[in-house]
Amino acid sequence: ETGVTQTPRHLVMGMTNKKSLKCEQHLGHNAMYWYKQSAKKPLELMFVYSLEERVENNSVPSRFSPECPNSSHLFLHLHTLQPEDSALYLCASSSQSRNGELFFGEGSRLTVL
Amino acid sequence: AQTVTQSQPEMSVQEAETVTLSCTYDTSESDYYLFWYKQPPSRQMILVIRQEAYKQQNATENRFSVNFQKAAKSFSLKISDSQLGDAAMYFCAYRKGNTGKLIFGQGTTLQVKP
Repeated sequence: ETGVTQTPRHLVMGMTNKKSLKCEQHLGHNAMYWYKQSAKKPLELMFVYSLEERVENNSVPSRFSPECPNSSHLFLHLHTLQPEDSALYLCASSSQSRNGELFFGEGSRLTVL
Repeated sequence: AQTVTQSQPEMSVQEAETVTLSCTYDTSESDYYLFWYKQPPSRQMILVIRQEAYKQQNATENRFSVNFQKAAKSFSLKISDSQLGDAAMYFCAYRKGNTGKLIFGQGTTLQVKP
């Protein structure tokens, strides 16, 4: 039981496809995050949801569309992606306490052909 | 804007030896937290150690300790008695105050030689 579960672990899609990444946390946290991890680059924060409200969107292209239907689930809907979007997408969750560390999922490895 | 810099893309250490990973950061805030995360190959990222900026005492967790130099904005990680299982990518991260948002460095890949 990792606490934060991401599916699928691997995804290959064409530029015209529509797919979704799913994240589920079983830790009772009330904040969830999407990060993008590309080779040779720092992790990039994409979206932050707190109490199911999107509180941050770091200038992410509209071809990435997040959804947070409740505090335990977070989705990242993908459509008309580009090859440069190929990366590891990490989901994380945290509590709102001052010591609230982030707990990460294992990531979804996305390849855009 | 806050930034985190890890200047060592790769490091290696002999098993049972000690290694230090470097991290510097830039911020004008006084209330913040610093973290080291470990990401083993094909496995999830986990927290190694955390330091509150208002605490002068360096944090320690078993074989892991930090050297927190607030004035120099330096936050290095020391791994003592290195083990094969310590091989991973290590990320230094900064968090402002009570926000959950983490800003990460570029990462350092640590190789442990038997």
